[in-house]
Amino acid sequence: DAGVIQSPRHEVTEMGQEVTLRCKPISGHNSLFWYRQTMMRGLELLIYFNNNVPIDDSGMPEDRFSAKMPNASFSTLKIQPSEPRDSAVYFCASSRGASNTGELFFGEGSRLTVL
Amino acid sequence: KQEVTQIPAALSVPEGENLVLNCSFTDSAIYNLQWFRQDPGKGLTSLLLIQSSQREQTSGRLNASLDKSSGRSTLYIAASQPGDSATYLCASNQAGTALIFGKGTTLSVSS
Repeated sequence: DAGVIQSPRHEVTEMGQEVTLRCKPISGHNSLFWYRQTMMRGLELLIYFNNNVPIDDSGMPEDRFSAKMPNASFSTLKIQPSEPRDSAVYFCASSRGASNTGELFFGEGSRLTVL
Repeated sequence: KQEVTQIPAALSVPEGENLVLNCSFTDSAIYNLQWFRQDPGKGLTSLLLIQSSQREQTSGRLNASLDKSSGRSTLYIAASQPGDSATYLCASNQAGTALIFGKGTTLSVSS
């Protein structure tokens, strides 16, 4: 079975541009998570969905960030407008069951650089 | 709010040594405790998951233990190898919440 698939793997953009990161969770998993990793702050939870419904978005930094999960096999994380401080690796992860019951599986991440 | 701490941030050992990585958490009412491995430039790979009713889990040369009363978990690696060099992260969650991660311990095993 394919793991969690993220695209793009690398994105370099200029400040002010819109960035869209994509994620396909493992088939059959009904919880999906977006995390951000930086050297300074480590891994931070941005938002998670259960059965396509956002459950906790308290980690989303500000209104420039938005996430959607239109169906069980696809999610997007959008940043508009992007800023240099958004540079980080963004990870998508999925698990079976509710948010706290299953083992978490991660994608390879999307490395974002905002110039 | 749950906080997860891993000390030390980095550890260097010679090949063959047995070692212990430490993880502490502030709220003992955890649901799961999960250990991950992260290689440079890669995603996280799940190593072991300990549910709140369990005390330990084993996989090959790895053994993870959980002591909720003291707010601690340890990851024991037996007979370390250069291929074990990576960053190890622990994470815990409580009822209805997602995993909260420590900042990891970067392990270097020299041959």
